Amino acid sequence: DAKTTQPPSMDCAEGRAANLPCNHSTISGNEYVYWYRQIHSQGPQYIIHGLKNNETNEMASLIITEDRKSSTLILPHATLRDTAVYYCIVRGGQAAGNKLTFGGGTRVLVKP
Amino acid sequence: DTGVSQNPRHKITKRGQNVTFRCDPISEHNRLYWYRQTLGQGPEFLTYFQNEAQLEKSRLLSDRFSAERPKGSFSTLEIQRTEQGDSAMYLCASSRGGYNEQFFGPGTRLTVL
Repeated sequence: DAKTTQPPSMDCAEGRAANLPCNHSTISGNEYVYWYRQIHSQGPQYIIHGLKNNETNEMASLIITEDRKSSTLILPHATLRDTAVYYCIVRGGQAAGNKLTFGGGTRVLVKP
Repeated sequence: DTGVSQNPRHKITKRGQNVTFRCDPISEHNRLYWYRQTLGQGPEFLTYFQNEAQLEKSRLLSDRFSAERPKGSFSTLEIQRTEQGDSAMYLCASSRGGYNEQFFGPGTRLTVL
């Protein structure tokens, strides 16, 4: 699986958009970008995933650059409950067994 | 609540004892994964099942660890002769097929004294 690079931490003001960057310069053509988050003392929670097109769901938007070497997760209106560690994961194909390879993630603190 | 349950939620044991954890996945999910997470780190893959078949094991899964999914439903993870380095959160996840999102349980926190 391709390696991802994320900033270790970032702060965000409540009610503002949170933009979480992720670099994955070695991503290959059949690998998807997944985002999960983990709120303290809970299991990871799926947020969104994409291949090459931008994606949006009720939780977030995912913007993937045209060369697919980086992406940004956007939380449109951050709330205090969005405080969590956010993981950007590049997910391998059949040979990788579809397991998730987590990095260190970005610790996001939403402040009032 | 994702629909994946794990028991027990917490386990404290003494070094050298055996422990067993259980994971009940979402009922229609054929894939079941085990991960381990130590403090301050992201989860690390241990093993996964497709139905009752164990298809991959990480090098992290030493011979003291064994996992089963006997009828393709619930799964157990056993650690024999526990060591202090086994102290971690053990997470279970399930999915419908390999490419769909994985739903994680709340984890079992193991403390080895």
